[in-house]
Amino acid sequence: QSVMTQPASVSGSPGQAITIPCTGTSNDIGSYNYVSWYQQHPGKAPKLLIFDVSRRPSGVSHRFTGSKSGNTASLTISGLQPEDEADYYCTAYTTYSTWVFGGGTTLTVL
Amino acid sequence: QLQLQESGPGLVKPSETLSLTCTVSGGSIISGSYYWGWIRQAPGKGLEWVGTIYNRGSTYYNPALRSRLTISLDLSENQLSLQLASVTAADTAIYYCGRHLTYGDHYYGMDVWGQGTTVIVSS
Repeated sequence: QSVMTQPASVSGSPGQAITIPCTGTSNDIGSYNYVSWYQQHPGKAPKLLIFDVSRRPSGVSHRFTGSKSGNTASLTISGLQPEDEADYYCTAYTTYSTWVFGGGTTLTVL
Repeated sequence: QLQLQESGPGLVKPSETLSLTCTVSGGSIISGSYYWGWIRQAPGKGLEWVGTIYNRGSTYYNPALRSRLTISLDLSENQLSLQLASVTAADTAIYYCGRHLTYGDHYYGMDVWGQGTTVIVSS
């Protein structure tokens, strides 16, 4: 199964908003709303930010929002803060009952 | 509060079988309807789904690993286990165990994680 496509890096200034796209196929993002996003700081386990395309687990900031159109899911972070600097990964359930990840995006807060 | 802790040998020789255990505390792996899984991360690389097991019986494996992989639950020890046979250097990674979030009639990403355990495959 192929890795979904994310930009290798994005950057933004504090207070700004950025969007990270994740492009899959009709066999994953295009088929279901079972899309999740993770945040990972260096040396730490990933943290679940978004599930079901746009839902936030309890305790996750409202600054993180998710969306989907066709085969592409997106994560938007508004009001960028220095602590948002991390790696971000999308993941989606596939028609083969498996999970596939995006390659990951490194966010730099300038 | 649910906590997960991975354990296993830090070093495995090529062609041998990697065995990892994830001990669950603060809850029972058999209670409710939950999916438990393994995700790995090679040095400097992204996340890779390894496999998932449903506590009512089904297992789901990464197709690239399926022929070498076994994931199981040890109910008596409240543990999740992973066995990966015929390892090569490409299996060198941090291995994380976790519990998938369940919402509605499906399961999603993992919302509870272990801290990860590093496995190096080398002679």
